[in-house]
Amino acid sequence: GQQVMQIPQYQHVQEGEDFTTYCNSSTTLSNIQWYKQRPGGHPVFLIQLVKSGEVKKQKRLTFQFGEAKKNSSLHITATQTTDVGTYFCAGNFNKFYFGSGTKLNVKP
Amino acid sequence: DGGITQSPKYLFRKEGQNVTLSCEQNLNHDAMYWYRQDPGQGLRLIYYSQIVNDFQKGDIAEGYSVSREKKESFPLTVTSAQKNPTAFYLCASSSPGRMNTEAFFGQGTRLTVV
Repeated sequence: GQQVMQIPQYQHVQEGEDFTTYCNSSTTLSNIQWYKQRPGGHPVFLIQLVKSGEVKKQKRLTFQFGEAKKNSSLHITATQTTDVGTYFCAGNFNKFYFGSGTKLNVKP
Repeated sequence: DGGITQSPKYLFRKEGQNVTLSCEQNLNHDAMYWYRQDPGQGLRLIYYSQIVNDFQKGDIAEGYSVSREKKESFPLTVTSAQKNPTAFYLCASSSPGRMNTEAFFGQGTRLTVV
């Protein structure tokens, strides 16, 4: 079946450092979405990437979709304590298969 | 206010009892989903429904059952056959068929079986 793998599982950074999480699919994706789940909360949609090689930015967050549409990354520049949470990618195989998530902890 | 509502937020049940988790949405979404999340884990798909009166098993459907009698509602029953039911359960909805669809999540129900 479809699988979406995400690494790393955990990342601890000092405030101000950069952070990247990677997402890989076993099959070609029609699109990929990214969600953020704050501690104790529910996942909230961040962005969707559709085109091969697409790059989108949201302030300090940069999202990339690979040329083969099988991988994606989320990069946060100069992390802040408000970035704390778990970041999930989701391949839309009509069922939203979620990656295992990367839990980000930011030390002030 | 449009949204997706799960109730209750916290639920305690004795081992061996069935329990039903509620999920209601007023977003007019056709598709609804149930996910299970264990501590430090990702989201695993239990069941999903893309249209009223139809639903399919996800990756971990054993020990769970659902119904989709109304577009707005997608209740999940955790049966006594589920060996390890204590978890955080998330319901979501979306509009399939549109390329820019996204999943909207409820606040979740934290189920503890004692």
